Amino acid sequence: QLQLQESGTRPVKPSETLSLTCAVSGGSISSNSYYWGWIRQPPGKGLEWIGTIFYSGSTYYNPSLKSRVTISVDTSKNQFSLTLSSVTAADTAVYYCARLPYVTQGWHAFDVWGQGTMVTVSS
Amino acid sequence: DIQMTQSPSSLSASVGDRVTITCRASQSISSFLNWYQQKPGEAPKLLIYTASTLQSGVPSRFSGSGSGTDFTLTISSLHPEDFTSYYCQQSYSTPLTFGGGTKVEIK
Repeated sequence: QLQLQESGTRPVKPSETLSLTCAVSGGSISSNSYYWGWIRQPPGKGLEWIGTIFYSGSTYYNPSLKSRVTISVDTSKNQFSLTLSSVTAADTAVYYCARLPYVTQGWHAFDVWGQGTMVTVSS
Repeated sequence: DIQMTQSPSSLSASVGDRVTITCRASQSISSFLNWYQQKPGEAPKLLIYTASTLQSGVPSRFSGSGSGTDFTLTISSLHPEDFTSYYCQQSYSTPLTFGGGTKVEIK
């Protein structure tokens, strides 16, 4: 059974860089059938897509965050990572990693999610 | 960006009621519309993808319909565990976007 687990340093101070890793177990990240993504949710608010990566390293980012976001993949460790630079209090959120199946017609839905990790930006 | 508008933002209902939640896209997204359920303190759970396909393991009281710009999630008979929040999401184009959510509360 596929499982995703987020980990990373927190809390984070304003202007610093947030770094999170999503470890994938029970399946290979190097599959032609899946992309892998990051989604966040500020306390009491809705969901925001951050970006998505394929095992080859191909990435898609939310334009609202693109200048500050980098998503990378390490196939040898079966994990992918998120860095978000120059953080502010507005970046305080629960950060989720998730799997995104891909078919010829396009993407489906985020079908497997990590439990999420709360990141607080505070001095 | 494709804007996803969910309505209502909240509703009150009773166990056994039939409930419908609507999601409208700002432009046509074909059938690339997904529905999630999220309970407090938990990650979202996929209920329906490509507008009407039930995810494996999801009870048949959940159903989805629609195409183009207008979509609905229907719960045919509310169970106690269904009183929580629901989100739609389009996977037609990037940036992938979510609706604002609907909270289903006990009347």
